[in-house]
Amino acid sequence: SSELTQDPAVSVALGQTVRITCQGDSLRSYYASWYQQKPGQAPVLVIYGKNNRPSGIPDRFSGSSSGNTASLTITGAQAEDEADYYCNSRDSSGNHLFGGGTKLTVL
Amino acid sequence: QVQLQESGPGLVKPSETLSLTCAVSGYSISSGYYWGWIRQPPGKGLEWIGSIYHSGSTYYNPSLKSRVTISVDTSKNQFSLKLSSVTAADTAVYYCARWRNGPDWFDPWGQGTLVTVSS
Repeated sequence: SSELTQDPAVSVALGQTVRITCQGDSLRSYYASWYQQKPGQAPVLVIYGKNNRPSGIPDRFSGSSSGNTASLTITGAQAEDEADYYCNSRDSSGNHLFGGGTKLTVL
Repeated sequence: QVQLQESGPGLVKPSETLSLTCAVSGYSISSGYYWGWIRQPPGKGLEWIGSIYHSGSTYYNPSLKSRVTISVDTSKNQFSLKLSSVTAADTAVYYCARWRNGPDWFDPWGQGTLVTVSS
């Protein structure tokens, strides 16, 4: 399939661990990258490749992948992590795809 | 550090052509990487529009390919988007971003510019 599927909304208690998932057949062939978007702001890259964080991204953010599912894990979620999160990968033709996004609420 | 800045009209009439430019600072487009356009309709998710290499090689979203042209001007260190025959469905915030191929990432992104299609 040429889609990336994300849960629309996820919540986590402050300081707890949350996993945001992204499902799609293309994830068997391509790594996902993950983007954080806060209201009124541009997306920011938080994870790419097997499990790589750009400079300045806290180490509480990590990535993993298994089969057709990629995951973004936030260990010890903070209030400032409340945002929309998007996964990105490719379809079978190599075209870029974005997941529908997951709205993370930190309780 | 690398910075990208979108510019162009904020209002475009239906059936006309949307034209945006992305100015890159802190990095020479000629040095490599790909450069892309992504859009986000109000309240919705992200959609990849297309990407271009500094040599001019382009890659377009199949759903938009017939209406999209992306070009690069290395002398001005900028790249551009043209989207023809626009409708209200093309109303969105348009972002430009640097793209690396394998493993993929888009980083950094411009601040985005809202383009409204309305008569």
